Amino acid sequence: NAGVTQTPKFQVLKTGQSMTLQCAQDMNHEYMSWYRQDPGMGLRLIHYSVGAGITDQGEVPNGYNVSRSTTEDFPLRLLSAAPSQTSVYFCASSYSAIDSTGNTIYFGEGSWLTVV
Amino acid sequence: AQSVSQHNHHVILSEAASLELGCNYSYGGTVNLFWYVQYPGQHLQLLLKYFSGDPLVKGIKGFEAEFIKSKFSFNLRKPSVQWSDTAEYFCAVNRASGTYKYIFGTGTRLKVLA
Repeated sequence: NAGVTQTPKFQVLKTGQSMTLQCAQDMNHEYMSWYRQDPGMGLRLIHYSVGAGITDQGEVPNGYNVSRSTTEDFPLRLLSAAPSQTSVYFCASSYSAIDSTGNTIYFGEGSWLTVV
Repeated sequence: AQSVSQHNHHVILSEAASLELGCNYSYGGTVNLFWYVQYPGQHLQLLLKYFSGDPLVKGIKGFEAEFIKSKFSFNLRKPSVQWSDTAEYFCAVNRASGTYKYIFGTGTRLKVLA
């Protein structure tokens, strides 16, 4: 039972480079999301998806793209990396997009990204 | 818009001291509330959650939280902390229906001195 798997765990990029952070879950979860964690700012939602083919913006979407072609995968693309995107990125998922019983979110182990 | 406030950014306690971490949210409708913990170098894990029923919720490792609807609060408590409770604690909220965005507070770093 892998849960939520993120790759890579560590990455250094040069300003202007592009890259994709991969996220996969094997729990058949409808809801997937990406957060970035910065000191003193907690977790901020970048993008989220409530099902395959459906994505929406969170609090800080600029500079990032996502797609959800399958239920399992939710990659995050940095189009042109900037030093301000140096952060720890967490992918998260939960079971149902339509549930009032307080779905637990399951987090991946994080991806440490440095943009120089 | 929803928001979550955690007023204590850093807390230092000695072992066996009691803990209370504040969490307030702003949203007038029905919400689900969560506390997550992040141990050093690890990802976030669920401590406890509230979605209905008894407003006093018990979680793992002796933690509990009380939902006070009139105060829009969901404070986390533990009667006697241990060194192993050193971690960062995040409060989170999402609406009970409709949008499924989870909004997190900025976190509280707890350090427990042995």
